[in-house]
Amino acid sequence: DAGVTQSPTHLIKTRGQQVTLRCSPKSGHDTVSWYQQALGQGPQFIFQYYEEEERQRGNFPDRFSGHQFPNYSSELNVNALLLGDSALYLCASSLGVRNTIYFGEGSWLTVV
Amino acid sequence: DAKTTQPPSMDCAEGRAANLPCNHSTISGNEYVYWYRQIHSQGPQYIIHGLKNNETNEMASLIITEDRKSSTLILPHATLRDTAVYYCIVRVETGANNLFFGTGTRLTVIP
Repeated sequence: DAGVTQSPTHLIKTRGQQVTLRCSPKSGHDTVSWYQQALGQGPQFIFQYYEEEERQRGNFPDRFSGHQFPNYSSELNVNALLLGDSALYLCASSLGVRNTIYFGEGSWLTVV
Repeated sequence: DAKTTQPPSMDCAEGRAANLPCNHSTISGNEYVYWYRQIHSQGPQYIIHGLKNNETNEMASLIITEDRKSSTLILPHATLRDTAVYYCIVRVETGANNLFFGTGTRLTVIP
């Protein structure tokens, strides 16, 4: 039973560039959420996708966007990267919006 | 914003029980208490959750006070691999139910 998988695990981008991170939810899960974790801090909620629509959004600018595909996998896109976007990006999944949330190992993004 | 208060750090001797407290004095009747832990550079790992009754699974036990204003996560026999940051989170099961992480408790298991 595969857990939440994310790719890539590490990447380095230049300020101003765009990045796409990918996530496959745990088997049987249909809801995907994304979190950002800066060094030394707890994860911060970015947004949640259910039935291919953004259902909730945290306090993040429009540079952060996402998508959920019919197979429930998801992408996180960040445009016009800033140095402050350097962080661990975590994908989490659940069955429906009410059940226990499970996290992937994350994608480390470094913006230089 | 996080609705829980946890001590920033704790130590525990290997093989002993680790008792991690959490204060959630403003918890609502429809909010569950969830515990996650994060080992360095890894994603958060779900441990256990409960509403008002004590809960136990293969990883830990969760003791919730009768007034639900505080709880304790118990790792019965701590090992070095339990060294991690432990997050206590209150979460409503309806509507907006994303997780709000605070700063957690950094547990260090000492040999």
